[in-house]
Amino acid sequence: QKEVEQDPGPLSVPEGAIVSLNCTYSNSAFQYFMWYRQYSRKGPELLMYTYSSGNKEDGRFTAQVDKSSKYISLFIRDSQPSDSATYLCAIGGNMLTFGGGTRLMVKP
Amino acid sequence: EPEVTQTPSHQVTQMGQEVILRCVPISNHLYFYWYRQILGQKVEFLVSFYNNEISEKSEIFDDQFSVERPDGSNFTLKIRSTKLEDSAMYFCASSRDRAGANVLTFGAGSRLTVL
Repeated sequence: QKEVEQDPGPLSVPEGAIVSLNCTYSNSAFQYFMWYRQYSRKGPELLMYTYSSGNKEDGRFTAQVDKSSKYISLFIRDSQPSDSATYLCAIGGNMLTFGGGTRLMVKP
Repeated sequence: EPEVTQTPSHQVTQMGQEVILRCVPISNHLYFYWYRQILGQKVEFLVSFYNNEISEKSEIFDDQFSVERPDGSNFTLKIRSTKLEDSAMYFCASSRDRAGANVLTFGAGSRLTVL
């Protein structure tokens, strides 16, 4: 059973759209939930980090964790072309387990 | 903003050769990590390092791999005898505290191509 699953996309949306990115995970022991953004041929860049179930907002980004369903989401409001990247969920503790990434394209 | 620096950005080597990838973590960080990403696949954990010793390693990190912090600033990953399947992007990361309690900052990566 795969530990962290993520729809690979690509997901193509028009500028200004609301984007929803999701991951499911299998190990209920996971405690920390992160979203990274990765541009082509670059390292992952941390966007959001949460510990508990619930929502966390940072500007246009909202991270949501539902531990009972083992489901995490990232919402991007008013998406911009500069948001075009691969979004990786990462779950765990000292050793992060990454999802495969969802490629997002925001068209002007 | 502080950043993790990795060199080289790209290295091409022949199968069976030794390769050393170098990283300069953020200066006040104490935990160091290597991850790798084979083209088109997930980012995978290799090893974590704290207080001059390995704290955790994955199944991927076999006897062909070693890590070292030779001089208090650099953090290196050595692959003794490279195989074709070692071709990947290798990311160094560092954190101030144990990941989870704190967050990892990744470098831009070193692309290794084994021919």
